[in-house]
Parts: sequence; structure tokens; C-alpha cells
Amino acid sequence: DTEVTQTPKHLVMGMTNKKSLKCEQHMGHRAMYWYKQKAKKPPELMFVYSYEKLSINESVPSRFSPECPNSSLLNLHLHALQPEDSALYLCASSQVFTGAGGGTEAFFGQGTRLTVV
Amino acid sequence: DAKTTQPNSMESNEEEPVHLPCNHSTISGTDYIHWYRQLPSQGPEYVIHGLTSNVNNRMASLAIAEDRKSSTLILHRATLRDAAVYYCILNNDMRFGAGTRLTVKP
Repeated sequence: DTEVTQTPKHLVMGMTNKKSLKCEQHMGHRAMYWYKQKAKKPPELMFVYSYEKLSINESVPSRFSPECPNSSLLNLHLHALQPEDSALYLCASSQVFTGAGGGTEAFFGQGTRLTVV
Repeated sequence: DAKTTQPNSMESNEEEPVHLPCNHSTISGTDYIHWYRQLPSQGPEYVIHGLTSNVNNRMASLAIAEDRKSSTLILHRATLRDAAVYYCILNNDMRFGAGTRLTVKP
């Protein structure tokens, strides 16, 4: 199984709602990533988890809260979002984040298209 | 900021080779060079990666400069399905630059 599965595929939420995005992989990867992608722009790194610990937070606003409950699962909890947070949210995984094991590819999910109204 | 720079766009004719360049002048000794491409409405997909030696796979070839400060993704015969945004990234960074939007003309 070489898939990264993201759910839901689409999400519409109000600015006062709380919702969560889910990402799952069963490749035994120990690095997982969240990216945000606006239309016609490259993916923008948000968070990196390495061995279930937060390794990088790219100064993301606290209304985005990541969680890695186990090595296969990555969540992104959303609260009090703004319309400008509407974007495609991509999850990815790789064998490891840094080091010699980084010679293996990262796998990306198809993303969750989020609309904040 | 991403550690790689690429031309914003390139054009190719169908069935002709395409050479997509990438500069990564601050690459470190342990950085692998990865290439991904993203088709419309899809997540990025892996194309190829390498460390020092040139690499070939069924999708493409990767030519890495001797000083490792640049690399070139080679699509040997572009098809219409190769039209996408191509990104090179370093595995120890995982930040995407602007990428190169490849247009393939029939």
C-alpha cells in the first residue's frame, strides 16, 4: 500500500466552526507533513512531524493545530478560521525527514479542499 | 524560503526531449535532490531523485552537476500528459519553490 489517504476530500466550514482534517499512511513512514496550497501557487510547508514529534512549525497561526496520535495518522485541527485560509491542504509522508534515509521519495495525498465561509 | 530555484515556465513540442533545470547552490552533502510534478487538481507525485550520480527511471532521467549545485530533469519524449508543474526540492528541506510550469504542444 503506497497511498496517503486524506479525508474529507472537500470541506466547507464557517468561521466559528471546529473541524479536523485527517491523513493516514500505512507504509511505515516516520515523517509526515502538512502543506497548504493556494491556487496557482506551490505547496507551502506548514508542519513536519518526525517520529511522532513536531519537528517544524513554519510560524503557522494557532488556529491550525496539528496532532500525530501514532505513526500512521496525522490530524490537522481547525478552529476560528478566516476566509483567506481557504485552500487545498496536502498531507505527505516519507521514510524519514532528514538523514541518509531521505533518499526515498515522499508520497502525497490528493488533498482536502477547504472553503471557509 | 525554498533552497531551489527554477524557471517559471517552459514549453516543449510533443515527442521532443525536455530539459528542466534547477539550481540548488546551498545544497549540503546529505541533501538528496528530489523531483515531483503536480497535475491540475492532484497532489504532487514523485518523479525521480538522486544524490550524486545521474539516475534513470521509467519516467525520466536526472542529471546532477559535479558540484551538485544544479540538476536537470530530462523527459526524453514529452507527451501531452507530461504537462504539469515540476518541482525540485531537497529532502532535508521539503520546501517547494515556484516550480516550472511545463506546457507541451501537440
